[in-house]
Amino acid sequence: EVQILETGGGLVKPGGSLRLSCATSGFNFNDYFMNWVRQAPGKGLEWVAQIRNKNYNYATYYAESLEGRVTISRDDSKSSVYLQVSSLRAEDTAIYYCTREETTGLMDAWGQGASVTVSS
Amino acid sequence: NIVMTQSPKSMSISVGDRVTMNCKASQNVYNNIAWYQQKPGQSPKLLIYYASNRYNGVPDRFTGSGYGTDFTLTINSVQAEDAAFYYCQRIYNSPPTFGSGTKLEIK
Repeated sequence: EVQILETGGGLVKPGGSLRLSCATSGFNFNDYFMNWVRQAPGKGLEWVAQIRNKNYNYATYYAESLEGRVTISRDDSKSSVYLQVSSLRAEDTAIYYCTREETTGLMDAWGQGASVTVSS
Repeated sequence: NIVMTQSPKSMSISVGDRVTMNCKASQNVYNNIAWYQQKPGQSPKLLIYYASNRYNGVPDRFTGSGYGTDFTLTINSVQAEDAAFYYCQRIYNSPPTFGSGTKLEIK
């Protein structure tokens, strides 16, 4: 069974940083791209970042609105992916989902999300 | 960047009715579109990929169509459990932009 579990969310002060982790199991992690997608309260889905697999040289891509403040990384030995977010603002308050993506583009498995609240 | 525009923003439908919702891309995305269903308090689930292919286990009342810039998700004989938000997404190329969603309510 495919399992995706995000951790590391919580309450953070404006200007602070946060590192989200996503642990996976039940599939060959090395075969997949991984993404972070977020959803602000009552809002729609916003793609945040992607990291490709070794075959694609671990290339990374970021949403323009967040570029410079986020870094995505992965550890294939731990089947895990990470998202570092810095200079946090109130508008970064959201549920952050970790998603598996086939190399053909399908985000076919999502975690339950990690809640991040940015507030003083 | 490509912008995905969904319409309508919301709709209220009776059980057994047929519903159609739309997704328009600001540029040609060929058939590189997916549709997701998100119920309250849950993470999104993949319904349709490459515009018209049903994902594993998705009931056949869900049908996707379209090519280029205009896409449609149709639900035949809507069921109560179909109440949800539906999002389209440009896939395969970066950035994988989402539409703003359509809320489906069941009367």
